[in-house]
Amino acid sequence: TQLLEQSPQFLSIQEGENLTVYCNSSSVFSSLQWYRQEPGEGPVLLVTVVTGGEVKKLKRLTFQFGDARKDSSLHITAAQPGDTGLYLCAGFLSGSARQLTFGSGTQLTVLP
Amino acid sequence: DTGVSQDPRHKITKRGQNVTFRCDPISEHNRLYWYRQTLGQGPEFLTYFQNEAQLEKSRLLSDRFSAERPKGSFSTLEIQRTEQGDSAMYLCASSPRGVYQPQHFGDGTRLSIL
Repeated sequence: TQLLEQSPQFLSIQEGENLTVYCNSSSVFSSLQWYRQEPGEGPVLLVTVVTGGEVKKLKRLTFQFGDARKDSSLHITAAQPGDTGLYLCAGFLSGSARQLTFGSGTQLTVLP
Repeated sequence: DTGVSQDPRHKITKRGQNVTFRCDPISEHNRLYWYRQTLGQGPEFLTYFQNEAQLEKSRLLSDRFSAERPKGSFSTLEIQRTEQGDSAMYLCASSPRGVYQPQHFGDGTRLSIL
């Protein structure tokens, strides 16, 4: 059983469309991070959210941490082919400041 | 910009052989992590070092796996008597001291067991 469930698992959209990826858990996380990973490469950190209810924006990407710190979402506006990749959420469970727990990822394909 | 470096990038070996991977973290980072990632899954934590001390090990790390960080700089991960199920991407990450610091990943070593 995954501690962090991501949905959808796969997403294929046209350039210019908006999308939202979800990361849910029944456990509380002290902080949550979003990474993007491309084939043959390691994950690259996009953002860290720490406070319940926190919203962070990174250009066309908006990240939200749930009030109860059990869930998070990533919203992409006007998706571009360069956004294609595996999006991973990962978090530190409350009481663990070292071991990152990852979700299984959302594979996003943006078609031109 | 010198990020986390891993060597080799790919390793193909026969079942039963021993393999060793190397990770060079970002120089000012005192924390180093090893993860394993299989196809279609997110990375799974294997072990964590603070300087040269190995402070956490996952139950995934069987007796055939051993990791070292002898001088608190680079680290090695050895797998003895490899099995088919060991085929995966092995990722190394490092982070600076401090609470909930983001981890910076290398590009991994892809291990294929024939």
